[in-house]
Amino acid sequence: GEDVEQSLFLSVREGDSSVINCTYTDSSSTYLYWYKQEPGAGLQLLTYIFSNMDMKQDQRLTVLLNKKDKHLSLRIADTQTGDSAIYFCAESDTNAGKSTFGDGTTLTVKP
Amino acid sequence: DADVTQTPRNRITKTGKRIMLECSQTKGHDRMYWYRQDPGLGLRLIYYSFDVKDINKGEISDGYSVSRQAQAKFSLSLESAIPNQTALYFCATGLAGVDYNEQFFGPGTRLTVL
Repeated sequence: GEDVEQSLFLSVREGDSSVINCTYTDSSSTYLYWYKQEPGAGLQLLTYIFSNMDMKQDQRLTVLLNKKDKHLSLRIADTQTGDSAIYFCAESDTNAGKSTFGDGTTLTVKP
Repeated sequence: DADVTQTPRNRITKTGKRIMLECSQTKGHDRMYWYRQDPGLGLRLIYYSFDVKDINKGEISDGYSVSRQAQAKFSLSLESAIPNQTALYFCATGLAGVDYNEQFFGPGTRLTVL
């Protein structure tokens, strides 16, 4: 079955860039997603990328997709303490109606 | 008001008890999902429903059942709770008819089985 893997923890200093990495196994994945989970809350979609793209930028967020290596990354520029959260990578097939989630990366931003 | 609500938010119960977790949504979405979250294990799909008459098992459905009472309501039941069902449970919704699968999550129910 599909598998999505992420490292569990990342710690950065405020103002630095954060890079969260993800690998996936399903070659038929057509959409890749990044969700953010703040303490005590459910997940919220940050951004997604279609598999025929290799980059997507949205303000401080940059998503890079290497489809050949099945590698996805999320870069957060000028990381702030409010960015401290758990970040989940996910993938889905077109019209499958469901997604496979990674285990989440806990990002800690130190002042 | 929140678009996806879950009740209760916290529940402590004993082994062997039957409990129900409820989810309601005002987003008008056809698709609804139940997940559990465990530390280090991420989100695992328990059941999902694409409409009122469509119920599907996820990767960890054993020990759980669901009911889709209406488009807006999807409840999760534990017929006989056991301690390893202690977890954070999330309900989510999704829009049908689009290629991508953005899901909208409720705030979660923290369940403890003693």
